[in-house]
Amino acid sequence: EIVMTQSPATLSVSPGERATLSCRASHSVNNNLAWYQQRPGQAPRLLIYAASTRATGIPARFSGSGSGTEFTLTISSLQSEDFAVYYCQQYNNWPGTFGHGTKVEIK
Amino acid sequence: QVQLQESGPGLVKPSQTLSLTCTVSGDSISNGGSYWSWLRQHPGKGLEWIGYIYYSGNTYYNASLKSRVAISIDTSRNQFSLNVSSVTAADTAVYYCARGKPLPFQNFFDPWGQGTLVTVSS
Repeated sequence: EIVMTQSPATLSVSPGERATLSCRASHSVNNNLAWYQQRPGQAPRLLIYAASTRATGIPARFSGSGSGTEFTLTISSLQSEDFAVYYCQQYNNWPGTFGHGTKVEIK
Repeated sequence: QVQLQESGPGLVKPSQTLSLTCTVSGDSISNGGSYWSWLRQHPGKGLEWIGYIYYSGNTYYNASLKSRVAISIDTSRNQFSLNVSSVTAADTAVYYCARGKPLPFQNFFDPWGQGTLVTVSS
């Protein structure tokens, strides 16, 4: 099973600033990597798939990059609704596995 | 707009069977190309994929739960269901149903149901 490691566990950012979240896979997952946002009390929402493709309706301030074992989610200018927990998920190898999440909180 | 909604008991006794149903609207379960999935999230923890069912009835389960899990499908009602047998407190979690894409064994999930908390307690 592929282990996904996210860093940092918590990221404190001021509104309007840039946030950079990292995700590392224990083995190469090619570009089969998705990112999700989970607000308190809500279900996860797909943001990015195939490492860099934004899902339908996702604002352009969200961008993904990387391949192989190293991936990044960037939020270019944080809005109030972006303070949430973000998970990465590899789907290259069965079963798909998730990271433990990065909490983006208001600084 | 595709929507999924979980339903079922919020409290299950230890050693009994947890049963949940997911009702899909805005998409037909009978269409190919989607892998109708169950996932769970333990309180304050990360996400775990339980398994999925294809419209043909083929099922695939996470090995960690395989001996206790069964997923079934009812295309006439556009629903799919989850059973987890012999539950313990470790099965207490928020259970989500979701649509998996794009390939068998290679799924990301979109959209998700709102989730339902199932507590295992006597």
